[in-house]
Amino acid sequence: GAGVSQSPSNKVTEKGKDVELRCDPISGHTALYWYRQSLGQGLEFLIYFQGNSAPDKSGLPSDRFSAERTGGSVSTLTIQRTQQEDSAVYLCASSRLGTAEYEQYFGPGTRLTVT
Amino acid sequence: GENVEQHPSTLSVQEGDSAVIKCTYSDSASNYFPWYKQELGKRPQLIIDIRSNVGEKKDQRIAVTLNKTAKHFSLHITETQPEDSAVYFCAAPIQGAQKLVFGQGTRLTINP
Repeated sequence: GAGVSQSPSNKVTEKGKDVELRCDPISGHTALYWYRQSLGQGLEFLIYFQGNSAPDKSGLPSDRFSAERTGGSVSTLTIQRTQQEDSAVYLCASSRLGTAEYEQYFGPGTRLTVT
Repeated sequence: GENVEQHPSTLSVQEGDSAVIKCTYSDSASNYFPWYKQELGKRPQLIIDIRSNVGEKKDQRIAVTLNKTAKHFSLHITETQPEDSAVYFCAAPIQGAQKLVFGQGTRLTINP
């Protein structure tokens, strides 16, 4: 079946502009994660959605970052007033159930460049 | 919270030799330890995982060992091949938070 998809694959934006990144998880997966991967770095947790529960936003680096998940499926990560340090690959992952012991299936990522 | 440290950050081995990557974690309650592989320009994918009720798990050329007393777990790749070249990430869960903390990654290069 279809895997996790993300759009756009690449986004170049000017400093100060807002951007929206989209994630389509695997159908039926209840958990959805957003990560940030800076060049040559590890996977930095941003936010986690599980079913209808309140999201875990503990990894969001500033109040310029927000995310929502509509209807328990598609998620959008929004970055307002982008800064150059926001440049990174943003990865989305979904898992069948919302516990850490379930395999996370990653999307291809969105490469964000802030000029 | 959970802290996961991964070593080495880069590793270069001759084709056919073995490679070992080690991770330490801080939360003694952690009970699940996955390893993800990320090839250049690709998405991370789970390659093997281990739960705390066993000390070792093997899948063909890859194996993971767990030492709960010392709070470390290792990835072992034997008979390395060029396609093993990638960045490998270990992870451990934050108890009660249903999410993983990832190590910083190891860039493995297999030299022909």
